[in-house]
Amino acid sequence: AQSVAQPEDQVNVAEGNPLTVKCTYSVSGNPYLFWYVQYPNRGLQFLLKYITGDNLVKGSYGFEAEFNKSQTSFHLKKPSALVSDSALYFCAVRDPKSGAGSYQLTFGKGTKLSVIP
Amino acid sequence: EPEVTQTPSHQVTQMGQEVILRCVPISNHLYFYWYRQILGQKVEFLVSFYNNEISEKSEIFDDQFSVERPDGSNFTLKIRSTKLEDSAMYFCASREGLGPSYEQYFGPGTRLTVT
Repeated sequence: AQSVAQPEDQVNVAEGNPLTVKCTYSVSGNPYLFWYVQYPNRGLQFLLKYITGDNLVKGSYGFEAEFNKSQTSFHLKKPSALVSDSALYFCAVRDPKSGAGSYQLTFGKGTKLSVIP
Repeated sequence: EPEVTQTPSHQVTQMGQEVILRCVPISNHLYFYWYRQILGQKVEFLVSFYNNEISEKSEIFDDQFSVERPDGSNFTLKIRSTKLEDSAMYFCASREGLGPSYEQYFGPGTRLTVT
Protein backbone atom coordinates (compact mmCIF):
# COMPACT_ATOMS: atom_id res chain seq x y z
CA ALA A 1 0.00 0.00 0.00
CA GLN A 2 1.16 3.52 -0.71
CA SER A 3 1.89 5.96 2.10
CA VAL A 4 3.27 9.42 2.71
CA ALA A 5 5.10 10.74 5.74
CA GLN A 6 5.51 14.36 6.69
CA PRO A 7 7.80 14.18 9.71
CA GLU A 8 7.27 17.74 10.91
CA ASP A 9 3.94 18.92 12.29
CA GLN A 10 5.13 22.52 12.16
CA VAL A 11 7.90 24.46 10.48
CA ASN A 12 8.78 27.99 11.51
CA VAL A 13 10.91 30.19 9.29
CA ALA A 14 11.76 33.87 9.21
CA GLU A 15 10.53 35.94 6.31
CA GLY A 16 13.11 36.08 3.56
CA ASN A 17 14.82 32.87 4.63
CA PRO A 18 14.68 29.68 2.59
CA LEU A 19 12.10 27.12 3.62
CA THR A 20 11.88 23.35 3.33
CA VAL A 21 8.89 21.16 4.10
CA LYS A 22 9.79 17.49 4.16
CA CYS A 23 7.97 14.56 2.61
CA THR A 24 8.88 10.91 2.15
CA TYR A 25 6.81 8.31 0.39
CA SER A 26 6.36 4.60 -0.06
CA VAL A 27 4.88 3.07 -3.20
CA SER A 28 5.33 -0.17 -5.08
CA GLY A 29 6.35 1.43 -8.35
CA ASN A 30 7.41 4.79 -9.69
CA PRO A 31 5.41 7.42 -7.83
CA TYR A 32 3.38 10.36 -8.93
CA LEU A 33 3.90 13.03 -6.26
CA PHE A 34 2.00 16.19 -5.47
CA TRP A 35 2.06 19.14 -3.11
CA TYR A 36 -1.11 20.94 -2.09
CA VAL A 37 -1.56 23.98 0.15
CA GLN A 38 -4.52 24.72 2.39
CA TYR A 39 -5.17 28.21 3.64
CA PRO A 40 -7.54 28.70 6.61
CA ASN A 41 -11.15 27.92 5.73
CA ARG A 42 -10.19 27.14 2.17
CA GLY A 43 -9.90 23.99 0.09
CA LEU A 44 -6.75 22.33 -1.11
CA GLN A 45 -4.88 24.19 -3.82
CA PHE A 46 -2.53 22.41 -6.17
CA LEU A 47 1.08 23.63 -6.03
CA LEU A 48 3.13 21.24 -8.13
CA LYS A 49 3.59 17.66 -9.21
CA TYR A 50 6.24 15.18 -10.22
CA ILE A 51 5.30 12.60 -12.82
CA THR A 52 8.53 11.89 -14.63
CA GLY A 53 11.56 13.68 -16.00
CA ASP A 54 13.57 16.40 -14.27
CA ASN A 55 13.92 15.75 -10.55
CA LEU A 56 13.48 19.44 -9.76
CA VAL A 57 9.90 20.52 -10.28
CA LYS A 58 8.81 24.13 -10.27
CA GLY A 59 5.30 25.12 -9.27
CA SER A 60 3.06 27.96 -8.24
CA TYR A 61 4.02 30.95 -6.05
CA GLY A 62 7.77 30.32 -6.40
CA PHE A 63 7.69 26.88 -4.82
CA GLU A 64 9.73 23.96 -6.09
CA ALA A 65 10.25 20.39 -5.03
CA GLU A 66 13.04 17.92 -5.52
CA PHE A 67 12.32 14.28 -6.23
CA ASN A 68 14.97 11.97 -4.79
CA LYS A 69 14.32 8.35 -5.70
CA SER A 70 17.12 6.87 -3.58
CA GLN A 71 15.85 8.64 -0.48
CA THR A 72 12.18 8.30 -1.48
CA SER A 73 11.71 11.96 -0.73
CA PHE A 74 9.91 14.88 -2.33
CA HIS A 75 10.75 17.92 -0.21
CA LEU A 76 9.05 21.23 -0.90
CA LYS A 77 11.29 24.29 -1.05
CA LYS A 78 11.22 28.00 -1.59
CA PRO A 79 14.30 30.24 -1.71
CA SER A 80 12.74 33.17 0.15
CA ALA A 81 9.69 32.75 2.38
CA LEU A 82 6.84 35.24 2.53
CA VAL A 83 4.45 35.80 5.43
CA SER A 84 1.65 34.97 3.00
CA ASP A 85 3.13 31.46 2.58
CA SER A 86 1.90 30.61 6.07
CA ALA A 87 -0.52 27.73 5.59
CA LEU A 88 -0.93 23.98 5.88
CA TYR A 89 1.01 21.99 3.30
CA PHE A 90 0.12 18.48 2.22
CA CYS A 91 2.24 16.03 0.30
CA ALA A 92 0.36 13.37 -1.66
CA VAL A 93 1.24 10.32 -3.71
CA ARG A 94 -0.50 8.43 -6.42
CA ASP A 95 0.69 4.90 -6.97
CA PRO A 96 0.47 4.33 -10.73
CA LYS A 97 -0.07 0.61 -10.16
CA SER A 98 -3.17 1.01 -8.06
CA GLY A 99 -6.75 1.52 -9.05
CA ALA A 100 -6.84 2.14 -12.74
CA GLY A 101 -9.79 4.40 -13.37
CA SER A 102 -9.42 6.10 -10.03
CA TYR A 103 -6.07 7.77 -9.39
CA GLN A 104 -7.02 8.69 -5.86
CA LEU A 105 -4.41 10.44 -3.77
CA THR A 106 -2.92 9.34 -0.49
CA PHE A 107 -2.07 12.34 1.65
CA GLY A 108 0.38 12.99 4.42
CA LYS A 109 -0.90 14.46 7.68
CA GLY A 110 0.18 17.95 6.72
CA THR A 111 2.80 20.40 7.91
CA LYS A 112 1.88 23.80 9.26
CA LEU A 113 4.24 26.42 7.92
CA SER A 114 4.54 29.66 9.87
CA VAL A 115 6.56 32.47 8.33
CA ILE A 116 7.57 34.98 10.95
CA PRO A 117 7.85 38.64 9.92
CA GLU B 1 -10.56 30.27 -13.75
CA PRO B 2 -13.06 27.43 -13.35
CA GLU B 3 -13.36 25.97 -9.89
CA VAL B 4 -15.08 23.23 -7.93
CA THR B 5 -17.87 24.52 -5.72
CA GLN B 6 -19.48 22.88 -2.71
CA THR B 7 -22.63 23.56 -0.72
CA PRO B 8 -23.31 24.10 2.07
CA SER B 9 -20.11 25.42 3.58
CA HIS B 10 -21.20 24.21 7.01
CA GLN B 11 -23.84 21.64 7.91
CA VAL B 12 -24.93 20.82 11.42
CA THR B 13 -27.04 17.73 11.92
CA GLN B 14 -28.18 15.43 14.67
CA MET B 15 -26.89 11.91 15.00
CA GLY B 16 -29.00 9.48 12.97
CA GLN B 17 -30.13 12.07 10.44
CA GLU B 18 -29.44 11.89 6.73
CA VAL B 19 -27.29 14.53 5.09
CA ILE B 20 -26.53 15.30 1.47
CA LEU B 21 -23.42 17.22 0.57
CA ARG B 22 -23.37 18.82 -2.84
CA CYS B 23 -20.60 19.54 -5.27
CA VAL B 24 -20.43 21.08 -8.70
CA PRO B 25 -17.26 19.84 -10.42
CA ILE B 26 -15.50 21.72 -13.17
CA SER B 27 -17.67 21.38 -16.24
CA ASN B 28 -15.42 19.41 -18.60
CA HIS B 29 -14.08 17.07 -15.92
CA LEU B 30 -14.89 13.40 -16.05
CA TYR B 31 -13.60 11.98 -12.77
CA PHE B 32 -15.00 12.90 -9.39
CA TYR B 33 -13.87 12.25 -5.85
CA TRP B 34 -14.86 12.70 -2.25
CA TYR B 35 -12.29 13.01 0.51
CA ARG B 36 -12.70 13.84 4.15
CA GLN B 37 -10.50 15.42 6.78
CA ILE B 38 -11.26 14.87 10.43
CA LEU B 39 -10.07 17.84 12.47
CA GLY B 40 -6.32 17.69 12.94
CA GLN B 41 -5.89 14.58 10.82
CA LYS B 42 -4.84 13.80 7.28
CA VAL B 43 -7.06 14.04 4.24
CA GLU B 44 -8.53 10.60 3.50
CA PHE B 45 -9.91 9.24 0.25
CA LEU B 46 -13.52 8.10 0.33
CA VAL B 47 -14.66 7.33 -3.19
CA SER B 48 -14.04 7.97 -6.85
CA PHE B 49 -16.69 8.12 -9.55
CA TYR B 50 -16.51 7.87 -13.31
CA ASN B 51 -19.02 7.22 -16.05
CA ASN B 52 -21.89 7.17 -13.55
CA GLU B 53 -20.46 4.51 -11.35
CA ILE B 54 -18.08 4.11 -8.44
CA SER B 55 -14.62 3.23 -9.69
CA GLU B 56 -12.98 2.80 -6.32
CA LYS B 57 -13.85 3.25 -2.66
CA SER B 58 -12.03 3.10 0.64
CA GLU B 59 -12.83 1.14 3.78
CA ILE B 60 -14.38 4.28 5.21
CA PHE B 61 -17.03 4.32 2.49
CA ASP B 62 -19.42 1.79 3.99
CA ASP B 63 -23.11 1.17 3.35
CA GLN B 64 -24.04 4.40 5.09
CA PHE B 65 -22.46 6.38 2.27
CA SER B 66 -23.61 6.78 -1.30
CA VAL B 67 -22.74 9.01 -4.21
CA GLU B 68 -24.76 10.16 -7.14
CA ARG B 69 -24.52 12.38 -10.17
CA PRO B 70 -28.21 13.19 -10.58
CA ASP B 71 -27.76 15.54 -13.51
CA GLY B 72 -24.99 16.82 -15.72
CA SER B 73 -23.51 19.13 -13.14
CA ASN B 74 -24.03 18.05 -9.53
CA PHE B 75 -22.16 15.33 -7.66
CA THR B 76 -23.55 14.44 -4.25
CA LEU B 77 -22.42 12.51 -1.20
CA LYS B 78 -25.18 11.13 1.01
CA ILE B 79 -24.73 9.85 4.52
CA ARG B 80 -27.86 7.92 5.48
CA SER B 81 -27.61 7.89 9.26
CA THR B 82 -24.92 10.16 10.56
CA LYS B 83 -22.68 9.24 13.46
CA LEU B 84 -20.64 11.50 15.70
CA GLU B 85 -17.47 10.24 14.05
CA ASP B 86 -18.70 11.48 10.66
CA SER B 87 -17.94 15.01 11.81
CA ALA B 88 -15.26 16.22 9.42
CA MET B 89 -14.50 18.48 6.50
CA TYR B 90 -15.62 16.85 3.28
CA PHE B 91 -13.85 17.80 0.08
CA CYS B 92 -15.04 17.17 -3.43
CA ALA B 93 -12.49 17.00 -6.23
CA SER B 94 -12.61 16.58 -9.97
CA ARG B 95 -10.18 15.67 -12.68
CA GLU B 96 -10.32 16.26 -16.40
CA GLY B 97 -8.71 13.04 -17.59
CA LEU B 98 -7.24 9.80 -16.34
CA GLY B 99 -3.61 10.22 -17.29
CA PRO B 100 -0.95 11.28 -14.76
CA SER B 101 -0.68 14.78 -16.16
CA TYR B 102 -4.14 15.62 -14.85
CA GLU B 103 -4.20 16.85 -11.29
CA GLN B 104 -7.22 16.92 -9.05
CA TYR B 105 -8.93 20.20 -8.33
CA PHE B 106 -10.50 20.48 -4.90
CA GLY B 107 -13.50 22.42 -3.71
CA PRO B 108 -13.48 24.56 -0.56
CA GLY B 109 -15.10 21.82 1.50
CA THR B 110 -18.21 21.31 3.60
CA ARG B 111 -17.73 21.20 7.32
CA LEU B 112 -20.12 18.59 8.73
CA THR B 113 -20.83 18.70 12.44
CA VAL B 114 -22.83 15.83 13.92
CA THR B 115 -24.25 16.48 17.38
